[in-house]
Amino acid sequence: GENVEQHPSTLSVQEGDSAVIKCTYSDSASNYFPWYKQELGKRPQLIIDIRSNVGEKKDQRIAVTLNKTAKHFSLHITETQPEDSAVYFCAARPGAGSYQLTFGKGTKLSVIP
Amino acid sequence: DGGITQSPKYLFRKEGQNVTLSCEQNLNHDAMYWYRQDPGQGLRLIYYSQIVNDFQKGDIAEGYSVSREKKESFPLTVTSAQKNPTAFYLCASSIRTGGSTGELFFGEGSRLTVL
Repeated sequence: GENVEQHPSTLSVQEGDSAVIKCTYSDSASNYFPWYKQELGKRPQLIIDIRSNVGEKKDQRIAVTLNKTAKHFSLHITETQPEDSAVYFCAARPGAGSYQLTFGKGTKLSVIP
Repeated sequence: DGGITQSPKYLFRKEGQNVTLSCEQNLNHDAMYWYRQDPGQGLRLIYYSQIVNDFQKGDIAEGYSVSREKKESFPLTVTSAQKNPTAFYLCASSIRTGGSTGELFFGEGSRLTVL
């Protein structure tokens, strides 16, 4: 089955700096890569996603890049703000017809004011 | 107000007892899922169901059981056979139709503590 590795497990940045979280996946047939944000005590919510036919996607201060050859994808947050502090999970979905997501173990991001 | 509702939010159980966690959605989603969340372990899939009266085991199904008698409901039973049941349990749903990204919509979770 699919295996998703996520790094780092914790990340602290100064407010205004950038944060990068990296994930690798094992199944070359995986075609969809979402990122979920879970604030303390709240439910995970989708913040951005990318399909395998796209190399980069951006939404305001967040962006995701995908390298299919190397089987890794990354989340980039620019101009970080205290409200970005949360646990971020990457995930991968195996090929067509599957709606099953395999999640990474999460990255706890702390933005220091 | 559309969404996915889990109950109870907190639950305490004695060893050897079964307990059932409720999950209800009014999003008209076909697919429903149960995940277990432990510190530093991410989200691990217990069971999922893509259609009424059908469900499949996820990565950590041992000691758990589910049913899907209605589209809106996907209850999870944590049985006494689950060796380490204390955890945070998240229910989710998604559209199953082809072409959809299958975005997961999560409930607020149920925290189970075994005493």
